[in-house]
Amino acid sequence: SQTIHQWPATLVQPVGSPLSLECTVEGTSNPNLYWYRQAAGRGLQLLFYSVGIGQISSEVPQNLSASRPQDRQFILSSKKLLLSDSGFYLCAWRPRGLVTEAFFGQGTRLTVV
Amino acid sequence: RKEVEQDPGPFNVPEGATVAFNCTYSNSASQSFFWYRQDCRKEPKLLMSVYSSGNEDGRFTAQLNRASQYISLLIRDSKLSDSATYLCVVNYQAGTALIFGKGTTLSVSS
Repeated sequence: SQTIHQWPATLVQPVGSPLSLECTVEGTSNPNLYWYRQAAGRGLQLLFYSVGIGQISSEVPQNLSASRPQDRQFILSSKKLLLSDSGFYLCAWRPRGLVTEAFFGQGTRLTVV
Repeated sequence: RKEVEQDPGPFNVPEGATVAFNCTYSNSASQSFFWYRQDCRKEPKLLMSVYSSGNEDGRFTAQLNRASQYISLLIRDSKLSDSATYLCVVNYQAGTALIFGKGTTLSVSS
């Protein structure tokens, strides 16, 4: 069966520090991968999605970047965090080419202080 | 106009009540539709897919009206454990991301 791992679960970082969140998927090949952010009291905002290695689409201009160095690995990064980067970051995957549901990792709760 | 709109609630209902949530979407080319459930401080999880003919899963019934571009979720005989945020989700085509509504909060009390 397929599983998705996301870490760390919680993170407290100072303003101006770098960020790296990692997500890996097991049990499937060529998945579509997504990063969402959910700010306190708000809906899920799509940040990035990827349909293949090295292929990243950005949905909103921001202080973040994403990379997909391997087929089942998706990384969210920032060089310098802002207070406004605080939120609940969720990685998700879907089978490629299908209009099925997405499956989420357990999320990373990031607090920038 | 927002892509997926939901009444944020909260809906406060007693146990055993029937409650309905509606959702509208803006893109008429949308292909697939879902309801997700999100518990406090947890990741969203699929509750059910929504099919054109309507579908039922136990106490939950989902309906889709493509002409009016809205989706509904009906929960019968509400349980305390149904308390959560319910997210309406739309997808335009394979390869693109799911678009989430902001969610409707349900609180079921005894």
